[in-house]
Amino acid sequence: DQQVKQNSPSLSVQEGRISILNCDYTNSMFDYFLWYKKYPAEGPTFLISISSIKDKNEDGRFTVFLNKSAKHLSLHIVPSQPGDSAVYFCAGVQTGANNLFFGTGTRLTVIP
Amino acid sequence: NAGVMQNPRHLVRRRGQEARLRCSPMKGHSHVYWYRQLPEEGLKFMVYLQKENIIDESGMPKERFSAEFPKEGPSILRIQQVVRGDSAAYFCASSHSGQGAGDTQYFGPGTRLTVL
Repeated sequence: DQQVKQNSPSLSVQEGRISILNCDYTNSMFDYFLWYKKYPAEGPTFLISISSIKDKNEDGRFTVFLNKSAKHLSLHIVPSQPGDSAVYFCAGVQTGANNLFFGTGTRLTVIP
Repeated sequence: NAGVMQNPRHLVRRRGQEARLRCSPMKGHSHVYWYRQLPEEGLKFMVYLQKENIIDESGMPKERFSAEFPKEGPSILRIQQVVRGDSAAYFCASSHSGQGAGDTQYFGPGTRLTVL
């Protein structure tokens, strides 16, 4: 039962342009979402999070948008840089629980 | 400021052997989580522990897998009588308060288990 879905396995973007990574979820009990970035042979690195009481959270080049009615969130990276090339995972969690539910990831390639 | 540490980074076992994976949480964190990532999949939750207690093991296979987080020392994920299907990357994460929503989990580099 895949409660968090990332339907685009890969995305290629030119350096300097915007990268938009999408994520959908089915569990309406999720009230906190996180994005992680993962390089090969390393663990996921926390990027940015958002609470369900917000619809936007921004940190430098990274912005996460949450649309609760559509059960959809997206991560915007602008401007994209070659060092952003990695696999990006979104995850959801609900209050009172401790396990993160991860999507299957989107591999972002930023072309110099 | 050391992050989450896991060892070994790579572990090769033959079918039927035991695998022991270790995880030391970030300084100041007393909540530990284990996740498994099979090839081409996302991370799947296995178990959540606090010091000396298993809080949630709903993602752990019922047989052959066990986890502990003793008062002293690292958390251990133990897999007995490994089979080829256990080959995966095992990630440990730690957090400060275990509050779930709002409590960010920070991940270690993972242990890549290969079962021959």
